[in-house]
Amino acid sequence: EVHLVESGGGLVQPGRSLRISCAASGFTFDDYAMHWVRQAPGKGLEWVSGISWNSIIIEYADSVKGRFTVSRDNAKKSLYLQMNSLRPEDTGLYYCVKAIHEFDWLLAPYDSWGQGTPVTVSS
Amino acid sequence: IQLTQSPSFLSASVGDRVTITCRASQDIRSYLAWYQQKPGKAPKFLIYAAFTLQSGVPSRFSGSGSGTEFTLTISSLQPEDFATYYCQQLNSYPRTFGQGTTVEIK
Repeated sequence: EVHLVESGGGLVQPGRSLRISCAASGFTFDDYAMHWVRQAPGKGLEWVSGISWNSIIIEYADSVKGRFTVSRDNAKKSLYLQMNSLRPEDTGLYYCVKAIHEFDWLLAPYDSWGQGTPVTVSS
Repeated sequence: IQLTQSPSFLSASVGDRVTITCRASQDIRSYLAWYQQKPGKAPKFLIYAAFTLQSGVPSRFSGSGSGTEFTLTISSLQPEDFATYYCQQLNSYPRTFGQGTTVEIK
């Protein structure tokens, strides 16, 4: 069974940095693209970033480009999101999600979601 | 690519047929997925490639459409179907979601 467990969220002041992590199990982690999706309180879903299985392809939402960096460590079966220059509008629940198909960067939707880690940006 | 769902909110009864529309700002071929989210829970993946049901999803759910207009239909609404539904385009990056449609009990 696939398990995705996010950690590292918390309260941070505007302009500061935070790194969140996702520990994966139950599947061959290094065969799948992974993504981060966030949800502001009471709002809809927003795709944040994605990384291919071999870290060669990386994409970001315009709202975080230049401030956030996604990475993965396949040996540790872990996904990371380094968030710098945080803004109040970055507040939300950050989900780690897995693509449905192996080696599919282009078209795969997300078949597994973690429970999310909350990030609050406030002074 | 912007996705616009309609309606944003609908009130329906158990047994009703429900249809949610998702319109894309440009042609996304058939590269659309649907998710269901219940309060306090992570989203659940329902449908991809516009109409392919994920394993385990009840057959009362169906999807259709291509190009810029897509629909999610629940043929006979069940109590466990009251939730918020999101469409997502998979045609290009950055990925985008619709704003969501909340289905509530009438």
